[in-house]
Amino acid sequence: AQSVTQLGSHVSVSEGALVLLRCNYSSSVPPYLFWYVQYPNQGLQLLLKYTTGATLVKGINGFEAEFKKSETSFHLTKPSAHMSDAAEYFCAVTLSGSARQLTFGSGTQLTVLP
Amino acid sequence: NAGVTQTPKFRVLKTGQSMTLLCAQDMNHEYMYWYRQDPGMGLRLIHYSVGEGTTAKGEVPDGYNVSRLKKQNFLLGLESAAPSQTSVYFCASSYSDGGSDNEQFFGPGTRLTVL
Repeated sequence: AQSVTQLGSHVSVSEGALVLLRCNYSSSVPPYLFWYVQYPNQGLQLLLKYTTGATLVKGINGFEAEFKKSETSFHLTKPSAHMSDAAEYFCAVTLSGSARQLTFGSGTQLTVLP
Repeated sequence: NAGVTQTPKFRVLKTGQSMTLLCAQDMNHEYMYWYRQDPGMGLRLIHYSVGEGTTAKGEVPDGYNVSRLKKQNFLLGLESAAPSQTSVYFCASSYSDGGSDNEQFFGPGTRLTVL
């Protein structure tokens, strides 16, 4: 079985500050991990994904995430927040990379303050 | 290239009414999915399809039916709507189920309210 926990349903940061969105997973086998972003009134868009290999994954819009097996974490970071980063972010996990077995976290709403 | 489109964008139903949500993709993807999104619960898979003419149940299939008569279209039906089906519905598609081509592309969503 697999599950995803996103710590903090709402996160606020000032423009230019570090963005850190937390994601922890539970999985009995090595997982495939994803971060999606959802802008208001839009569908989800893939930010980045981890399959195998390098544990630091770079995505679009300056975001990156690091897979830490020992901590079962896949936290999303961005060095400097921009107003356009305000959105809801979802972490997701799947075993064996199966897209139809994606399990989504409950989401984190990011607010960027001027 | 429109990607994934959904019709309608908004709908209000009365309990017991029926309706069909249409999803269309122009990326020649084999796999298509229907999700519902509820506050604080992320997305949950309702049904999915691995190709034209095929459908399968996901995590929360009760009260819904689907059809995939054409590769590019995936229909989600509610035969007798209930207030518990008030949600935002998302359609997604992907080229494959696994490997490097398992990225799902999402439509903009349909906001359904059942009174």
